[in-house]
Amino acid sequence: DTGVSQNPRHKITKRGQNVTFRCDPISEHNRLYWYRQTLGQGPEFLTYFQNEAQLEKSRLLSDRFSAERPKGSFSTLEIQRTEQGDSAMYLCASSSRDRGREKLFFGSGTQLSVL
Amino acid sequence: AQTVTQSQPEMSVQEAETVTLSCTYDTSESNYYLFWYKQPPSRQMILVIRQEAYKQQNATENRFSVNFQKAAKSFSLKISDSQLGDTAMYFCAFIGLLTGNQFYFGTGTSLTVIP
Repeated sequence: DTGVSQNPRHKITKRGQNVTFRCDPISEHNRLYWYRQTLGQGPEFLTYFQNEAQLEKSRLLSDRFSAERPKGSFSTLEIQRTEQGDSAMYLCASSSRDRGREKLFFGSGTQLSVL
Repeated sequence: AQTVTQSQPEMSVQEAETVTLSCTYDTSESNYYLFWYKQPPSRQMILVIRQEAYKQQNATENRFSVNFQKAAKSFSLKISDSQLGDTAMYFCAFIGLLTGNQFYFGTGTSLTVIP
């Protein structure tokens, strides 16, 4: 399977704990995105990497959120001191703007529940 | 700023009938891509169809086709011969080629195919 892979699929945590999610993009894709989605809403942009460089961050991404993409391969999204409002589906996606054929491919997401 | 608007929160269609989902967007860019994504109950986002703004010809993918009206900034999705497996949330999305560091999504249309 060469799609976008996210781990874990589900995470239940207590308020105040730290959590980390991992995303493995499609190997030839140099662009990686994190989105957050709550039930009944469309995905909201969090951050974007081109290779290892984090080029854009949403204002939604508070200081408790940090994302990395070392070596331009997999990416991690960490949430520190989780709050109940952080409960959502966290989606990772990757794309490659190759010869004008931009397409965004999504992973299955990590569903976070903060109790 | 780019915005994507889907004004139909819910729609239903009889199996084998045709349904059209609406999407409008706002941008100052002239070169961009538009997409329709499907999100079934499994919550995996699946690309349905893509349209390049510089192409006048409407994109088609089997039973799915779009009506792209660039001047009106309208991008509707037509599903022909609706099948039960088409039941899902449908999201319209946009990315500009000039400032394209994120994909913008609408709030979605929940489509139910009735047997």
